[in-house]
Amino acid sequence: GQQLNQSPQSMFIQEGEDVSMNCTSSSIFNTWLWYKQDPGEGPVLLIALYKAGELTSNGRLTAQFGITRKDSFLNISASIPSDVGIYFCAGRINAGNMLTFGGGTRLMVKP
Amino acid sequence: GAVVSQHPSRVICKSGTSVKIECRSLDFQATTMFWYRQFPKQSLMLMATSNEGSKATYEQGVEKDKFLINHASLTLSTLTVTSAHPEDSSFYICSARDSLFYEQYFGPGTRLTVT
Repeated sequence: GQQLNQSPQSMFIQEGEDVSMNCTSSSIFNTWLWYKQDPGEGPVLLIALYKAGELTSNGRLTAQFGITRKDSFLNISASIPSDVGIYFCAGRINAGNMLTFGGGTRLMVKP
Repeated sequence: GAVVSQHPSRVICKSGTSVKIECRSLDFQATTMFWYRQFPKQSLMLMATSNEGSKATYEQGVEKDKFLINHASLTLSTLTVTSAHPEDSSFYICSARDSLFYEQYFGPGTRLTVT
């Protein structure tokens, strides 16, 4: 099915560094979500964004809903080893619609 | 927080047998549940949307007679892989949508291996 364009596909960083990843779409979404998936587990919701321009934080994580409604980014500050995993963005047009997922960003953190 | 459980977490079965996977929303009601399949290093692929009390809606290319879905209550949906074959081996993840706030929460996944 349709996917969002998520980049980068993978990142290998040093512990303590900041991380940034983003998702773009050719169509508008009215909700953007960011999930993290650990190996062998299901995705866990990190941040949900409901308004264009909204900037939301969850601990060391910050995500923004783009003004155009066609993009979103996720930043992780001061990365730690447990940040390792796959991060997925997801967009939804309306509350009753299904999610459209990005391809994922695989994050690896070197201690 | 909202919790979704899946059972079993891992299952190994012989080719030709059927396997049932359960998905439960533990602390919220879910009118709608979703079943995904995920191959290694890939994103989640939606297989079907399960609605309580009605027939599931399957994505294009997903065989409804092979992947039987039953959503008998507001907290339980089941996926049965019938006559499983090795190519059905995959990671199956369910997701439940909160009926009140519409957020979607995922189960921990089921690793199916067909020998």
